[in-house]
Amino acid sequence: GAVVSQHPSWVICKSGTSVKIECRSLDFQATTMFWYRQFPKQSLMLMATSNEGSKATYEQGVEKDKFLINHASLTLSTLTVTSAHPEDSSFYICSAWTGTAKNIQYFGAGTRLSVL
Amino acid sequence: TQLLEQSPQFLSIQEGENLTVYCNSSSVFSSLQWYRQEPGEGPVLLVTVVTGGEVKKLKRLTFQFGDARKDSSLHITAAQPGDTGLYLCAGHYGQNFVFGPGTRLSVLP
Repeated sequence: GAVVSQHPSWVICKSGTSVKIECRSLDFQATTMFWYRQFPKQSLMLMATSNEGSKATYEQGVEKDKFLINHASLTLSTLTVTSAHPEDSSFYICSAWTGTAKNIQYFGAGTRLSVL
Repeated sequence: TQLLEQSPQFLSIQEGENLTVYCNSSSVFSSLQWYRQEPGEGPVLLVTVVTGGEVKKLKRLTFQFGDARKDSSLHITAAQPGDTGLYLCAGHYGQNFVFGPGTRLSVLP
């Protein structure tokens, strides 16, 4: 299957700093990438949908100024958590979709963010 | 808003037992995917089903898509400890995907 690389896998930062998470599709072009947040023992919560070359679409309740998403190319999307606070600590997962009839999302391995 | 429900939410069984988990919706999806996720990792795709009534087998796992494309089931035969994980179903419609809340499976040796 297709490979999606997410980096870093784990990051610890101080409160008030910003953290950037990268999501790359390694062997295919992703017209759309999704960003999810997952709390312990819960399912995935969609944060935003990112289409290459356009602004991301955020789900209700997700602060766009807090979670900046950039999808500058067909293989790279980034999520920046700005002015992180302890309540932003979570597991963030990206996925990439080719937009073809296969309708399959390929997921990254996730990034565990811990804000002190 | 299209919603997916999964049942049971939690399941703990002994090695060798069979089990079935369900994914249900009142909405029609163009396709449905099943994923397994282990702690600290991203979901891994198990199967995608597209046609109503479709049955797919992956070793000891059997997946079925309902005739009306509103529901799906995952049956595991002779479960093993390696099957432990969070099983997620995801429905696809248009350019959207919706995930169910997951079934957390524990297979005890």
